Amino acid sequence: AQSVTQLDSQVPVFEEAPVELRCNYSSSVSVYLFWYVQYPNQGLQLLLKYLSGSTLVKGINGFEAEFNKSQTSFHLRKPSVHISDTAEYFCAVSDPLNAGNNRKLIWGLGTSLAVNP
Amino acid sequence: EAQVTQNPRYLITVTGKKLTVTCSQNMNHEYMSWYRQDPGLGLRQIYYSMNVEVTDKGDVPEGYKVSRKEKRNFPLILESPSPNQTSLYFCASSLSSRGTDTQYFGPGTRLTVL
Repeated sequence: AQSVTQLDSQVPVFEEAPVELRCNYSSSVSVYLFWYVQYPNQGLQLLLKYLSGSTLVKGINGFEAEFNKSQTSFHLRKPSVHISDTAEYFCAVSDPLNAGNNRKLIWGLGTSLAVNP
Repeated sequence: EAQVTQNPRYLITVTGKKLTVTCSQNMNHEYMSWYRQDPGLGLRQIYYSMNVEVTDKGDVPEGYKVSRKEKRNFPLILESPSPNQTSLYFCASSLSSRGTDTQYFGPGTRLTVL
């Protein structure tokens, strides 16, 4: 069964520093990959997704992620973070070969990004 | 504005007292689901619905019921809540269940069962 591992549960970083949030998934077959963000006291919203094509995906708020099939990874990056990026970040995978009707997302446990001044 | 709404946002109740958390979307989405979010356990799917009158169990359905009588609404029912159902609940919707679609989440309902 597909699984998602977010390698860091917490990432503290100073404002304007670069950040990378790591995500690995278990299966090497074709997958769809997502990053969602949850700001304090809010629901989740999509940052970006990879379905096919270019392995470098750009999302909202200056974030980007790179799909690496050989390493089964989908790490999220931002070159310069702001205080407002403080949030919980979730990586998720959907398996297009899932024969069932519920092609649900398999979620990582989340990475808490804390941006300090 | 395209959105998923949930009510109530916060609820404190006692063991055994039936409650309903409402969820409504205005995007004409076919697929809706309920999640619970717990520290250290991440997001777990409770129930999902492919369309009107079509619902099925997710990963943690015990103690919950749902219904989908209209496309826009997907209420979550706890007929006899217990303290282990204290959690943060999210409703989500997407255009379809294809797995490529963006999921849109409600703001969450924080439930405490005493």
